[in-house]
Amino acid sequence: DAGVIQSPRHEVTEMGQEVTLRCKPISGHNSLFWYRQTMMRGLELLIYFNNNVPIDDSGMPEDRFSAKMPNASFSTLKIQPSEPRDSAVYFCASTPGPISTDTQYFGPGTRLTVL
Amino acid sequence: AQSVTQPDIHITVSEGASLELRCNYSYGATPYLFWYVQSPGQGLQLLLKYFSGDTLVQGIKGFEAEFKRSQSSFNLRKPSVHWSDAAEYFCAVGGNAGNMLTFGGGTRLMVKP
Repeated sequence: DAGVIQSPRHEVTEMGQEVTLRCKPISGHNSLFWYRQTMMRGLELLIYFNNNVPIDDSGMPEDRFSAKMPNASFSTLKIQPSEPRDSAVYFCASTPGPISTDTQYFGPGTRLTVL
Repeated sequence: AQSVTQPDIHITVSEGASLELRCNYSYGATPYLFWYVQSPGQGLQLLLKYFSGDTLVQGIKGFEAEFKRSQSSFNLRKPSVHWSDAAEYFCAVGGNAGNMLTFGGGTRLMVKP
């Protein structure tokens, strides 16, 4: 299996622009997570889907952030409008199901820089 | 609320020396505990996990961790460190709701030749 796939790997944009990050989970996995990693705040869970349904979005910073999972093989995280403080590495992870002992498989991340 | 503390932000060890990375957790019930490793520019990879049974857990790459309920700890150990072990290590706790995890702040390991 190719593992979790994220695109783009790097994104540089200007403040105010819309940014869309993409994730393809491992085939057959039913749970998907979006994380943000910064030096100041470490690794933060943004949102969690199970069977394409958002289960917990309490980590989404504000209304500028939105996430969708239209089908089992694709998810997007959108930031509109982007701000310099959104600069971070965004990770997507997937697990086979909603079981607490399941291993989370992480993608390589998207490094976002907002100028 | 669950939380994880990794007291050491940076650790430097010599190649061949033993390693112990500390992890303390706060959780109301029996925790599920994980150690992940992140190499530069990469995503996180699972080293090992504990959810029941033997409190000494073996993982990949020669790592092990011991769950000590009385100390609320899950420290990661390796008897002999290799230069390729230089990375950032994250402890995580789960079990509260579904498979959501709370991660610690990470410990960056540097290995001296």
